[in-house]
Amino acid sequence: EAEVAQSPRYKITEKSQAVAFWCDPISGHATLYWYRQILGQGPELLVQFQDESVVDDSQLPKDRFSAERLKGVDSTLKIQPAELGDSAMYLCASSRTSGSYNEQFFGPGTRLTVL
Amino acid sequence: AQSVTQLDSHVSVSEGTPVLLRCNYSSSYSPSLFWYVQHPNKGLQLLLKYTSAATLVKGINGFEAEFKKSETSFHLTKPSAHMSDAAEYFCVVSPNFGNEKLTFGTGTRLTIIP
Repeated sequence: EAEVAQSPRYKITEKSQAVAFWCDPISGHATLYWYRQILGQGPELLVQFQDESVVDDSQLPKDRFSAERLKGVDSTLKIQPAELGDSAMYLCASSRTSGSYNEQFFGPGTRLTVL
Repeated sequence: AQSVTQLDSHVSVSEGTPVLLRCNYSSSYSPSLFWYVQHPNKGLQLLLKYTSAATLVKGINGFEAEFKKSETSFHLTKPSAHMSDAAEYFCVVSPNFGNEKLTFGTGTRLTIIP
């Protein structure tokens, strides 16, 4: 069964350092999402791609966060510099296309700890 | 604007007894509603979804949910709990148009007592 792959699974870094997370969606899925899940809360959308284009990054802290999906396949989310408040689980999801009728499939996530 | 409220942060039931996880939603428009489950160290998995068809929705692993517009509720139920049901459950709302962004509740942790 096809799955969304994410790496690394765990990342510990010090504040002010740069970190990057990678996501490989299910083959053929045009829409890719990055979510942040703070402990004890539900996931919150950071950025949504349709193919290689960003369609929603309204909740992405653009002063320190960036995301790209250059070839419309895999994607990288970067934080520079990391802050203590960035400690969270970062989830990637993909769907065949956009729209609530299309199920989003989630990867296992990257747990980030900022010291 | 849209939001969901999961009324219980923790629910404990004995194995073999019914499960009820409560969710109320708020949406300016007719919504789509979902329940996702998150097992430890696993990705979120869709249990079931309501998208304006039948109000009683059946999902995987014996779970079902009923959409009640008058009560703005979408409670998740299962007749008989199994040990493997222990996980975090999220109620999710999305509008049926526009960017169709998912809004998650804060989650309910389900514990199964042997």
